[in-house]
Amino acid sequence: EPEVTQTPSHQVTQMGQEVILRCVPISNHLYFYWYRQILGQKVEFLVSFYNNEISEKSEIFDDQFSVERPDGSNFTLKIRSTKLEDSAMYFCASTHGGSYNSPLHFGNGTRLTVT
Amino acid sequence: KQEVTQIPAALSVPEGENLVLNCSFTDSAIYNLQWFRQDPGKGLTSLLLIQSSQREQTSGRLNASLDKSSGRSTLYIAASQPGDSATYLCAVPLPGTYKYIFGTGTRLKVLA
Repeated sequence: EPEVTQTPSHQVTQMGQEVILRCVPISNHLYFYWYRQILGQKVEFLVSFYNNEISEKSEIFDDQFSVERPDGSNFTLKIRSTKLEDSAMYFCASTHGGSYNSPLHFGNGTRLTVT
Repeated sequence: KQEVTQIPAALSVPEGENLVLNCSFTDSAIYNLQWFRQDPGKGLTSLLLIQSSQREQTSGRLNASLDKSSGRSTLYIAASQPGDSATYLCAVPLPGTYKYIFGTGTRLKVLA
């Protein structure tokens, strides 16, 4: 069964550094998302992306964050200058779209640790 | 503002028991509700999506029900197995969006 893949599985970075988290959504999916989960807390929506542009973003998704679909397969999340509070699991998700009842498919996540 | 709550936060049962996980949401204007499973350190696996027009959805030993008017959903797991041990999350999208609001989850442990 097709799946969403994310790399790396674990990223350690120093405060202030830039990180790029990578995702390959399911190939025929049209909508892409980033969610994050701080340890012990709820999964939170960050951003959705469709037709090469952001369709929605949360208050968390400030100017330090950006997303890109650089080619036909990858979907990336960049954090320009990481802070300690950015430490979390970051999940990429995709859905075929077509209706609001298309199920979300998640990747296994990237654990980001900011020291 | 949509809020999603799951009760209980944790549950430990012997193998073979049937069990019910609960999810409640404050705004009934939803298109669907999705149940996910999360294994430790892993991503979320979609288990069931139940549309707002449906009352139940079944997959194998799992059955999800939805009562929009009362803002509740239940996930019924029949004949539980140790392999069912995981955290179970429910989530609902905000109207007209794919922005899902998640509950805090129920951490299930099935003892052999």
